[in-house]
Amino acid sequence: SYELTQPPSVSVSPGQTARITCSGDALPKQYAYWYQQKPGQAPVLVIYKDSERPSGIPERFSGSSSGTTVTLTISGVQAEDEADYYCQSADSTVVFGGGTKLTVL
Amino acid sequence: QVQLQESGPGLVKPSQTLSLTCTVSGGSISSGSYYWSWIRQPAGKGLEWIGRIYTSGSTNYNPSLKSRVTISVDTSKNQFSLKLSSVTAADTAVYYCARQYCSSTSCYAAVGYWGQGTLVTVSS
Repeated sequence: SYELTQPPSVSVSPGQTARITCSGDALPKQYAYWYQQKPGQAPVLVIYKDSERPSGIPERFSGSSSGTTVTLTISGVQAEDEADYYCQSADSTVVFGGGTKLTVL
Repeated sequence: QVQLQESGPGLVKPSQTLSLTCTVSGGSISSGSYYWSWIRQPAGKGLEWIGRIYTSGSTNYNPSLKSRVTISVDTSKNQFSLKLSSVTAADTAVYYCARQYCSSTSCYAAVGYWGQGTLVTVSS
């Protein structure tokens, strides 16, 4: 098994760009996925295959990958983007990062 | 649109076995080739993957839980189930059932559909 490491928290003002990183040795070999979770709700997939957006996810959400780090970028952050964000990857088992709380100031 | 619904006891005594069922609607659990997963989340903490079962019946489990976990599928009832044995207070969490995400062209090792989650408390 392996680990994915995320910063516990990120803060950004409305309209600015938020970047949430996720690091792990397996990331060069496996796709990364990102989920948004709001209080009391199930997570929602916002990025798959490192950088693809599922239908219905706003264009301000984007993903990128470089070596052992993947990044979720939210451009023009809105108040409604305040949530917990989790990265995830998988080989024969599935691993989640510890989660990052995004605060919109 | 696929929908998933967890069901089972909300309170389990320590050392007993936690049993949950996920009922799938909006499609047959045996149509297509999907992973069906269980994921849990203790209050105020992050997501923990428990394991998954493929439509064929093959399974993968979290190594840290493998000795206590069994996931099975009942295609006749369009359900899949989780059993977690020898539970302790550390197993108290919201338990989610989930289905693999598939785009228009491929399926991925991500979750596209989630149940609403069910809180299971381990306490005497």
